[in-house]
This record gives sequence, structure tokens and C-alpha cells, in this order.
Amino acid sequence: KNQVEQSPQSLIILEGKNCTLQCNYTVSPFSNLRWYKQDTGRGPVSLTIMTFSENTKSNGRYTATLDADTKQSSLHITASQLSDSASYICVVTDRGSTLGRLYFGRGTQLTVWP
Amino acid sequence: EADIYQTPRYLVIGTGKKITLECSQTMGHDKMYWYQQDPGMELHLIHYSYGVNSTEKGDLSSESTVSRIRTEHFPLTLESARPSHTSQYLCASSPPLAGGGDTQYFGPGTRLTVL
Repeated sequence: KNQVEQSPQSLIILEGKNCTLQCNYTVSPFSNLRWYKQDTGRGPVSLTIMTFSENTKSNGRYTATLDADTKQSSLHITASQLSDSASYICVVTDRGSTLGRLYFGRGTQLTVWP
Repeated sequence: EADIYQTPRYLVIGTGKKITLECSQTMGHDKMYWYQQDPGMELHLIHYSYGVNSTEKGDLSSESTVSRIRTEHFPLTLESARPSHTSQYLCASSPPLAGGGDTQYFGPGTRLTVL
């Protein structure tokens, strides 16, 4: 069964600190993995996308890693800001279907305190 | 910022009412999607479309229906709303890249509450 599991479910950190969010998946055959940021009451916004051959991708203070062998990914946030408070969703695409079916994790709810 | 819009943003209605959630995008994307998301839970695909006059049901069974008469417009309709339909509904679109798996751009969502 294709699944995407994220941890932790929620995380509270102080402004300026770093944090790392985890994503494990069983989706096969694998096409790509994305990290989305979803602010409360808004739609998700794509942060990074990685294919099988890529093992790291950065977008400003966000750095995603991918280990396609162990089917694990992480999102590292450096020097957190209050505006980083959001849900971070790991999304894996299945290349076995015409649609390119997306499998969503439940997200990690990050709260950054001043 | 993606050019995809949803209206209304919030809707509170009584049981049995017919409602239509609007979704429009100005990016010329062929593929469009509707997702349902409950608080703290993952997004579930309920409908998708490859283009005009194309609609398909997604992974999660839904009593809603959709139509795609124009490329830019993908409305979702509930003929008779029930409390079990209370949820957040997210619309998305993606450009026609080969092989699928292209990035989806999401609208802001409609928060529906059925009393």
C-alpha cells in the first residue's frame, strides 16, 4: 500500500533555531518527492521537488534531502522565523499511473515562538 | 503566487441545500483537481480533470459532482449538503508536462460547514 508518513506530528521551536522534519514513504514506483508549506486557512505552496537522482535541494532557508534507497526524506529549516509557522507536507508522486498520482502525508505542524 | 482562485472562502449552510464551490485558474493549465482535507489530516483527491469535458473520480468517494466546460473553470457541486460534508475543499491545477507528476498549484481553499 502506498503511504507517506511524517514525523513529528507537531513541533514547537524558538525563533532563530533550526529544525528538521522527517518523511518516510512506501510509494512505488517512485517519480518525485515534494515538500509543501501550508499556512493556516490557505492552500499548500511547493517548496522543493526532488527526483530519484537528486539527494538534496535548497530553497532559501529550506533544504530538503532524499535517500531513495531507504525511502526517506527530510526538510531542514535554518534560522527559523515566525512566518515559518505552518504545516509542512511531504508529497510523493507515483510514476506508475497516467495521472501521476500524488500521495500526501498528514503534515508536521510547526510553531515558531518569539 | 499561483493564479488560482476559489470562492467562497468560507461557507456555512443548512442541511439539504445545494451548493457550488467555484474554482478558476488563469494559467491555462489543462489538469485540474479537487481535494478534501479535514483538520490535521492528509489531502484526499475527490475529482480531477485532464481538460475540457474530461472529469474523473479520485481516490476518496464523494457525493459531489464536477464539470469542466471551460479550461479555466472547474466548479464542484453538492446537490444536498449534509453535516458529513463539512470539510476544507482545495482546488489545484498543473501544467501539461509529459509523464505526469508535475507541480500542482493550489487555491486558498473553501472551508465548508454544514449545520
